[in-house]
Amino acid sequence: NAGVTQTPKFQVLKTGQSMTLQCAQDMNHEYMSWYRQDPGMGLRLIHYSVGAGITDQGEVPNGYNVSRSTTEDFPLRLLSAAPSQTSVYFCASSYSRGAAGDGEQYFGPGTRLTVT
Amino acid sequence: KQEVTQIPAALSVPEGENLVLNCSFTDSAIYNLQWFRQDPGKGLTSLLLIQSSQREQTSGRLNASLDKSSGRSTLYIAASQPGDSATYLCAYDQGGSEKLVFGKGTKLTVNP
Repeated sequence: NAGVTQTPKFQVLKTGQSMTLQCAQDMNHEYMSWYRQDPGMGLRLIHYSVGAGITDQGEVPNGYNVSRSTTEDFPLRLLSAAPSQTSVYFCASSYSRGAAGDGEQYFGPGTRLTVT
Repeated sequence: KQEVTQIPAALSVPEGENLVLNCSFTDSAIYNLQWFRQDPGKGLTSLLLIQSSQREQTSGRLNASLDKSSGRSTLYIAASQPGDSATYLCAYDQGGSEKLVFGKGTKLTVNP
């Protein structure tokens, strides 16, 4: 298993540009989520999904969109990038509560985004 | 507001020492608690998961315990090695959701 994969690893955007951060997992996990990590702030939840077709907002959702058309993929879209979105973005996945598995969450390697 | 505090923020020890990292939380509805390791510029690697019905987990030189009544978890690292140098993060989720609440981490340096 490749686990949780993220692309790209690095990205530089100009203010106002849009882009999609890709996340995929091959463990048949129902639950997927996106976090951002900023110095001094820790990891904060952006959006999450409990299954295909179901998404919801986390702690810091403004400026980001998500969709979940398949179990495997959970892309994060920045519609109009702002310097405040400069951060490291992590995708995570796990089995959902009550389903097979123990709730352990697995993280991807991250995407380092700079908005100038 | 849900908060996770990790003390100390940074720790430097000589190789071979046994050490304890602390994690405290204010939420009483904690379900699972997970410890992660993060190397500089890398992603998070899961170390130990303590499920709701458990009080501790062990993996090799690592032992994590959870006391929900006092709102504390500890990660014990035995016979530390330079390769253990990393930032250690704890995070918990609540019974009704898989959403994780993270601490800011303890940066560990093990000196040869």
